[in-house]
Amino acid sequence: AQSVAQPEDQVNVAEGNPLTVKCTYSVSGNPYLFWYVQYPNRGLQFLLKYITGDNLVKGSYGFEAEFNKSQTSFHLKKPSALVSDSALYFCAVRDLNYGQNFVFGPGTRLSVLP
Amino acid sequence: EADIYQTPRYLVIGTGKKITLECSQTMGHDKMYWYQQDPGMELHLIHYSYGVNSTEKGDLSSESTVSRIRTEHFPLTLESARPSHTSQYLCASSEYGGGGELFFGEGSRLTVL
Repeated sequence: AQSVAQPEDQVNVAEGNPLTVKCTYSVSGNPYLFWYVQYPNRGLQFLLKYITGDNLVKGSYGFEAEFNKSQTSFHLKKPSALVSDSALYFCAVRDLNYGQNFVFGPGTRLSVLP
Repeated sequence: EADIYQTPRYLVIGTGKKITLECSQTMGHDKMYWYQQDPGMELHLIHYSYGVNSTEKGDLSSESTVSRIRTEHFPLTLESARPSHTSQYLCASSEYGGGGELFFGEGSRLTVL
């Protein structure tokens, strides 16, 4: 079975500093990886995905993620954090062997301090 | 903006009532999903569908039921609500294919008194 881990429950970063939200995964084949963001009392919004190709994927709102096959990681990054980036972030992998369903990590709460 | 809509956004009801949470999407997606999420916590898949007349149970056992009579519509029903059903319910859809992402609705926050 496929699984996703987000080792940090909470990440705190000062505004203007770079941020990283970590994600590691376990899959049996080629991974299809996704990042989502959730603001309070809202649904999840898609940020970016890795399917194939360049290991560095660029997405919405200045976010990017780096796929590292040897470390089975897909960390989310942003060069300069904004207070408005404070939210809950979920990493997900699409399981092609499980009805094509999505397996989500437990989420990481990002707080950007002014 | 994703074209997937959930109603109601907020619902407060008494124990024993029957409720239906509505979900519709205009993207023509075959796959639709229902997730349950306590505030700020992880998502649990409770139901999904491959298309019309297809419904499957997810990872988390749920007393709710779903139906898929039309491609665009995937309602969730609780026959007799209990306080333990208090949660947020998120509907989502995707293309049937490895690279397609999930599109989420804004969620329905249910409180059972």
